[in-house]
Amino acid sequence: DQQVKQNSPSLSVQEGRISILNCDYTNSMFDYFLWYKKYPAEGPTFLISISSIKDKNEDGRFTVFLNKSAKHLSLHIVPSQPGDSAVYFCAANTIQGAQKLVFGQGTRLTINP
Amino acid sequence: DAGVIQSPRHEVTEMGQEVTLRCKPISGHDYLFWYRQTMMRGLELLIYFNNNVPIDDSGMPEDRFSAKMPNASFSTLKIQPSEPRDSAVYFCASAQKQETQYFGPGTRLLVL
Repeated sequence: DQQVKQNSPSLSVQEGRISILNCDYTNSMFDYFLWYKKYPAEGPTFLISISSIKDKNEDGRFTVFLNKSAKHLSLHIVPSQPGDSAVYFCAANTIQGAQKLVFGQGTRLTINP
Repeated sequence: DAGVIQSPRHEVTEMGQEVTLRCKPISGHDYLFWYRQTMMRGLELLIYFNNNVPIDDSGMPEDRFSAKMPNASFSTLKIQPSEPRDSAVYFCASAQKQETQYFGPGTRLLVL
């Protein structure tokens, strides 16, 4: 039972354009959401997070949007750069289980020059 | 800081053998996590420790898997006996209090 779902296994975007990665969740108790980025042969690294009291959080080229009613979040990367090519994981947890992250399957993003 | 250190980076073994994966967390971090990544199930939490004490092992797949943290700077994940379906990448991560989790580079395990 996948509580966090990333339905697109892969995404290809032209350099300079916007990349939009999507994530859906089913557990209404989740109140903190994170995105991790993973390069080949490395562990995931934290990218950006959002609390359920917000609907948007921005950090440079990266913005995460949260739609609680739809149980959906998205990561926008603008403009996309070749170094953004990686696998992106969406993750979620609850205040009670703050350290127990539930991850999605990941989306492989490829930025084409 | 060197980050989270895992060894070995790659392990190839035969079915039925014992496998031990090792992790050194970042100094000062009081949480340690073991994850497994497979194509089918993605990245799953197996077990995590707080101050060397196992807090939640509900993700451990079966009794063949065990994890220990004898001190603040070392943890092991053991599979005995190993099976081909255990083939995956195993990640260790550490965190300070409720902060961001930092992942190691992973151990790629292949059980033949």
